[in-house]
Amino acid sequence: QKEVEQNSGPLSVPEGAIASLNCTYSDRGSQSFFWYRQYSGKSPELIMFIYSNGDKEDGRFTAQLNKASQYVSLLIRDSQPSDSATYLCAVKNYGQNFVFGPGTRLSVLP
Amino acid sequence: ETGVTQTPRHLVMGMTNKKSLKCEQHLGHNAMYWYKQSAKKPLELMFVYSLEERVENNSVPSRFSPECPNSSHLFLHLHTLQPEDSALYLCASSQDKGASNEKLFFGSGTQLSVL
Repeated sequence: QKEVEQNSGPLSVPEGAIASLNCTYSDRGSQSFFWYRQYSGKSPELIMFIYSNGDKEDGRFTAQLNKASQYVSLLIRDSQPSDSATYLCAVKNYGQNFVFGPGTRLSVLP
Repeated sequence: ETGVTQTPRHLVMGMTNKKSLKCEQHLGHNAMYWYKQSAKKPLELMFVYSLEERVENNSVPSRFSPECPNSSHLFLHLHTLQPEDSALYLCASSQDKGASNEKLFFGSGTQLSVL
């Protein structure tokens, strides 16, 4: 059974701080890694994807991948109250379906 | 109109009703999906259509019946549902199912309540 694990939270950070969201996965052959943001009552929105070990930056967001440790993270710099949402980690192996984690709820406090 | 659109946004139905969820994608993708999202649980894959052919049915009860008349439209027909079927139903689409650079794009979802 392929699994993706995330801390359900809530993770609370003050406005302006760095929020760090973590995800581990069980399928060592996974090749593609995604972060989705889901506001309450809304659908998941793709915000980051990463394929190679290391860091990938896009604005205030940085995705970090460590395949040896089977670990992927999302850093949100200068967190804003509008970043408050549930963040879903998804993992995919070639030719197979996406596997989603249960999500981490982030709360950014003004 | 762009993206993936789903209707209705909200649906309340009794256990003896028959209803359908509709999804339309305007992204030119060739694969479409139905997911179920229940509280505090990971997204559950229900059905996958690739090039209008059903390629996956994840042990979903027969009271859920998908239909994909073309690559842009996807339906989920519902009948004699149970209260535990109450959830957010999400449609998604992608290009090149299975490819290493495949990305999923979700519709707005249908919040279903079964009384």
